[in-house]
Amino acid sequence: EAGVTQFPSHSVIEKGQTVTLRCDPISGHDNLYWYRRVMGKEIKFLLHFVKESKQDESGMPNNRFLAERTGGTYSTLKVQPAELEDSGVYFCASSHYRDSSYEQYFGPGTRLTVT
Amino acid sequence: DQQVKQNSPSLSVQEGRISILNCDYTNSMFDYFLWYKKYPAEGPTFLISISSIKDKNEDGRFTVFLNKSAKHLSLHIVPSQPGDSAVYFCAAAAKEGGDKIIFGKGTRLHILP
Repeated sequence: EAGVTQFPSHSVIEKGQTVTLRCDPISGHDNLYWYRRVMGKEIKFLLHFVKESKQDESGMPNNRFLAERTGGTYSTLKVQPAELEDSGVYFCASSHYRDSSYEQYFGPGTRLTVT
Repeated sequence: DQQVKQNSPSLSVQEGRISILNCDYTNSMFDYFLWYKKYPAEGPTFLISISSIKDKNEDGRFTVFLNKSAKHLSLHIVPSQPGDSAVYFCAAAAKEGGDKIIFGKGTRLHILP
């Protein structure tokens, strides 16, 4: 079974530019999550999709971040315009619906560097 | 304000000995606790979890202990092996918080030969 995949693995952009990150969850997983880890800090929750619906977006930092999950399969996270403080590693995770163990399967992450 | 705290940024343990990683939390509403392991350039991998109604969960070499009155949990690895060298994240979740997992900053474990 293929795991969670993310693209690109690394992105370097200039302040003010736009970047789109992609996540493909494990096939059949209804839940999809985005997290971010800024260097030296904890991994922080951004948002949660159940199929194509946003269940919880309480962790999204501001309106420069837009997440979509059209058709309930893969998801994209767009940052527009990017700021220096957006640098970090963006993780995507997925899980079965109604998995009471909270076990989430993480992708390898996309390292975003804003210069 | 950090709800899950891992106060030791790093820990070195001799191969074959016991590794003990500690974690404290502040939110009494947490009802599930998890440990994730992370290698460089990879995402966190689920290791072991424990429900708040239990005080111990064991899986092979890994045991998690929960002390609710102290709001403290620990992960024991016995015996420690070279492949255990990684960053370990303590994490917690609350039913009222939906599915989001709250992570600590992580502890880097070095297993010495």
